[in-house]
Amino acid sequence: GESVGLHLPTLSVQEGDNSIINCAYSNSASDYFIWYKQESGKGPQFIIDIRSNMDKRQGQRVTVLLNKTVKHLSLQIAATQPGDSAVYFCAENNAGNMLTFGGGTRLMVKP
Amino acid sequence: KAGVTQTPRYLIKTRGQQVTLSCSPISGHRSVSWYQQTPGQGLQFLFEYFSETQRNKGNFPGRFSGRQFSNSRSEMNVSTLELGDSALYLCASSGVAGASNTGELFFGEGSRLTVL
Repeated sequence: GESVGLHLPTLSVQEGDNSIINCAYSNSASDYFIWYKQESGKGPQFIIDIRSNMDKRQGQRVTVLLNKTVKHLSLQIAATQPGDSAVYFCAENNAGNMLTFGGGTRLMVKP
Repeated sequence: KAGVTQTPRYLIKTRGQQVTLSCSPISGHRSVSWYQQTPGQGLQFLFEYFSETQRNKGNFPGRFSGRQFSNSRSEMNVSTLELGDSALYLCASSGVAGASNTGELFFGEGSRLTVL
């Protein structure tokens, strides 16, 4: 498949374990944050979002935590599966549909 | 419901040429955004069109331009291609004016441009 980043940080986890992917954002005025998953050869796919008036949001097997004090986001994936293997990006919304993306983290799930 | 469709999926050009990429958003979506993805710079915002008007523009030279038609389909053009323009160009559509209103941009699979 096509590589979206040759030198991405990589997180390697065992199938069934929990994964935590971290992201630092830059703009303290950003009020909306999104996590995307990108599989090889595909465009980014929405996973979960959070607004700045929240510090935690849960979805199906995923949880996003927001720490505005240190401008930090994390994505937690419970019971990680091989299908979770992908590159994960955090993004902050600046205006309209203009997103600033983080550099990405490659998640590798070992069976 | 069909997703975001980008054409062509792959193309090869030489330096100095120009290229036009096309994006058909999800039916009913009026916002189309374009992003450039490279291994070195990651995902970078190019511009956004909403109801045929460019609403936001990223930090790219004037060689990068775009437009949106009345049916919300969008094209982007890169003139005088440089080697560094080799990238995956992604289009995303949204049903509303701002991401924070809905939570989701829908991305296409991209157009992979190689400049030789």
